[in-house]
Amino acid sequence: DVKVTQSSRYLVKRTGEKVFLECVQDMDHENMFWYRQDPGLGLRLIYFSYDVKMKEKGDIPEGYSVSREKKERFSLILESASTNQTSMYLCASSRQGQSRAQHFGDGTRLSIL
Amino acid sequence: SQKIEQNSEALNIQEGKTATLTCNYTNYSPAYLQWYRQDPGRGPVFLLLIRENEKEKRKERLKVTFDTTLKQSLFHITASQPADSATYLCALDPGYNQGGKLIFGQGTELSVKP
Repeated sequence: DVKVTQSSRYLVKRTGEKVFLECVQDMDHENMFWYRQDPGLGLRLIYFSYDVKMKEKGDIPEGYSVSREKKERFSLILESASTNQTSMYLCASSRQGQSRAQHFGDGTRLSIL
Repeated sequence: SQKIEQNSEALNIQEGKTATLTCNYTNYSPAYLQWYRQDPGRGPVFLLLIRENEKEKRKERLKVTFDTTLKQSLFHITASQPADSATYLCALDPGYNQGGKLIFGQGTELSVKP
């Protein structure tokens, strides 16, 4: 079974801090994704990556950056955390190509105070 | 504008009945559509995929239909059980060769009462 592991289940940070969320997958998937999930808004794509060192902006990239130095690891960075970035963050991976199922981690619930 | 919409209200049904969830979309021409299940505090889990040239797909008690004319997918759970209670998400590819990217609906919460 594919396993996508997110480094923290719960995280509390202060406004203005630089925050790192880590995601690791163990199935050699080419694609990796970062979403945030908010009540009533569903899953919204922040960034995705289809290869090492490659990244594409999703629908809501403002205030975020990403890093993919190794195939199995995809990091989400909040450059200067703000309270409106309090959310559930979900990482996913999939094989290359269309019609591939995405495999999700269990999420990091991030609170910015 | 492009939209994907699911029943916004929670669906409450009695055990043993068939649950039907709706996913409507506008201004997309997806080649395929996927359904996921999400339990509280967990990430979504893939259930089924249906392609644009398939009218219907089945997997055990699950059935998905895809009507590209109506721009709608229906997700059915037959003989529902309390363990089927969860949020169900539909997702479609946005077309134009975006290599695995999906657009998700906001999900429908299903509650099956014993």
